[in-house]
Amino acid sequence: EIVLTQSPATLSLSPGERATLSCRVSQSIDIYLAWYQQKPGQAPRLLIYDTSNRATGIPARFSGSGSGTDFTLTISSLEPEDFAIYYCQQRTNWPRTFGQGTKVEIK
Amino acid sequence: EVQLVETGGGLIQPGGSLRLSCSASGFAVSSKAMSWVRQSPVKGLEWLSIIYIGGSTNYADSVKGRFTISRDTSKNTVFLQMNSLRVEDTAVYYCAKDCTDGGCSNFFDSWGQGTVVTVSS
Repeated sequence: EIVLTQSPATLSLSPGERATLSCRVSQSIDIYLAWYQQKPGQAPRLLIYDTSNRATGIPARFSGSGSGTDFTLTISSLEPEDFAIYYCQQRTNWPRTFGQGTKVEIK
Repeated sequence: EVQLVETGGGLIQPGGSLRLSCSASGFAVSSKAMSWVRQSPVKGLEWLSIIYIGGSTNYADSVKGRFTISRDTSKNTVFLQMNSLRVEDTAVYYCAKDCTDGGCSNFFDSWGQGTVVTVSS
């Protein structure tokens, strides 16, 4: 099973600041990684797929990069609605697996 | 508008069975792969099962042999039959639709609101 390790566990930032979230994978998954956002009481929402493609309706302040085993989600300038938990997910191998999440909280 | 609504969760004793339903609207469940994903404080997000357009299925080892995914196209509904439930199956269960964007596959762009399954004596 491919293991995804997200860091940091918590990121404390102010609105307007840049957020950089990391997802490291236990073996190469090429570019087949997605990022989701989850707010309390809600289901996850797909933000980015295949490392760098924004899903429909996702603002341009969200961007993804990386390949192989190291991936990054960047939020260029945090909006109040961006404070949430972010998860990465791989689709290269079965079972599909998720990271444990990074919480972006208001500083 | 795509909408997924899960039902069927509840409190069940270890060893018992539950059948979850995921009623879809805004698209045909026969036109996209559909998955079940669960979330618990202990294990986080855990993909469980998928049913493809052609009807083939796949399962996580943790549920293989105990859970069965199926669909009824006439009702536009996907099911998860859960047998031999364990305490560690306690979680929020989501159904999720395979993504629609060109080239996107095996990621999930629509999720239901979730249904809570509690396995406890």
